[in-house]
Parts: sequence; C-alpha cells; structure tokens
Amino acid sequence: GNSVTQMEGPVTLSEEAFLTINCTYTATGYPSLFWYVQYPGEGLQLLLKATKADDKGSNKGFEATYRKETTSFHLEKGSVQVSDSAVYFCALIPQGGSEKLVFGKGTKLTVNP
Amino acid sequence: EAGVTQSPTHLIKTRGQQATLRCSPISGHTSVYWYQQALGLGLQFLLWYDEGEERNRGNFPPRFSGRQFPNYSSELNVNALELEDSALYLCASSSLTASYSNQPQHFGDGTRLSIL
Repeated sequence: GNSVTQMEGPVTLSEEAFLTINCTYTATGYPSLFWYVQYPGEGLQLLLKATKADDKGSNKGFEATYRKETTSFHLEKGSVQVSDSAVYFCALIPQGGSEKLVFGKGTKLTVNP
Repeated sequence: EAGVTQSPTHLIKTRGQQATLRCSPISGHTSVYWYQQALGLGLQFLLWYDEGEERNRGNFPPRFSGRQFPNYSSELNVNALELEDSALYLCASSSLTASYSNQPQHFGDGTRLSIL
C-alpha cells in the first residue's frame, strides 16, 4: 500500500542552524509529494509540493526535491528561525485519482533563540 | 481570497450523541476532503466529496457520514459518538478537473471535537 515515513522527532535547533527532515515514501507509479506545516492551534498549511521526478519544491526558504530513485522528499532549510517552530508533515497523493492525502506521522521542530 | 472555513471551532459532546461539523471551501473549489487528527494516530483520511458525490472513503465505520451541498460546502456527521472520536477534524478543499488531479489541498483550522 501507500505510505510515508518521516524522521522521528522532536527536533530542537538553534536559530540559524541548518534543517533537514527526512521523508521517504512507498507508492506505485508517480505520486504527487507535499510538505505541510502545522503551527500550534492551527490547521495545516501547504508549504511546498512536487508532482514529478526531479522537481524541486520551494517556499519561504524551505526546499525539497522529488527523488524517484531513492523514493525520498527530504525537507531542508539553510537557516531556521524561531518562527519556523511547528510540526511538519510529509504527504503524498497516489497516482490514479484517489485524491486522498497519505501523511507521515509528523516531525515537531523547535527553534530556540 | 477567503480560505477554508470550519465551524464550530470547538464542540463538546457526550457518548452516544451526534455531532455535525461544517466546512466551506475556497471559492471555486469543488472538492472537499475530511481528515481526522487524533492523538497518537496521526492524520487519517475520512471522506472526499466532489460535485456533490462521495468519491472516496477511508477506513472509518458507517456512523461517520457526510454530504456536500450545491454550493460545495460540506457537513460531516458522526453518530453514536464514542470516546475515541475525540480529535481535531480537518476539512480541506481543492480544485480538480478531469485531466488535472493530485492538486494541493488547502486546509481549514479544524473543529476540535471532545467527547466526555
């Protein structure tokens, strides 16, 4: 079946540190891949997406590249800020029109000043 | 542009009661999705409505049901509430066409349902 595995948290970093949150997936064909962010007390916000192999999604300094060969979509940011503290979810929509998002378990990031 | 709006923000019920949650999609979006975010269980897909029809359903019992209205807003109904139904229920919407699926889903802030 379709699944997403992302690194266990929580992750605690100092401001301006480099961030990587690993995400790998299992799916047939070419799913669409997403990163969502959830700030405390809020719903999910789309952070970035990629719909085909080698696509790079980017937004607000965050980047992730769709790697078909390693079935990965790792999230990176070169210099995190305190305001980046949130829970990050990697997700996919399987190819074929089911349209349901399959989520990883989420990674909680805390950035300290 | 207004985002996805959900009501109520919080809902407190007791076991055996029925709950109704409401969602208004982004203007122009015809697809509405419901997800459950329960503590320890992560985000689970519940239902997908498009153009008034139920298109897909997750692994939830029949007491979870819903509908989509002609204006594309949606209701999620949960009957015979159980303690484990306590969760944040998130609604999302997207704009799909027959030839352009897998579009990003845009989420509301959710309804927190607490069962006492």
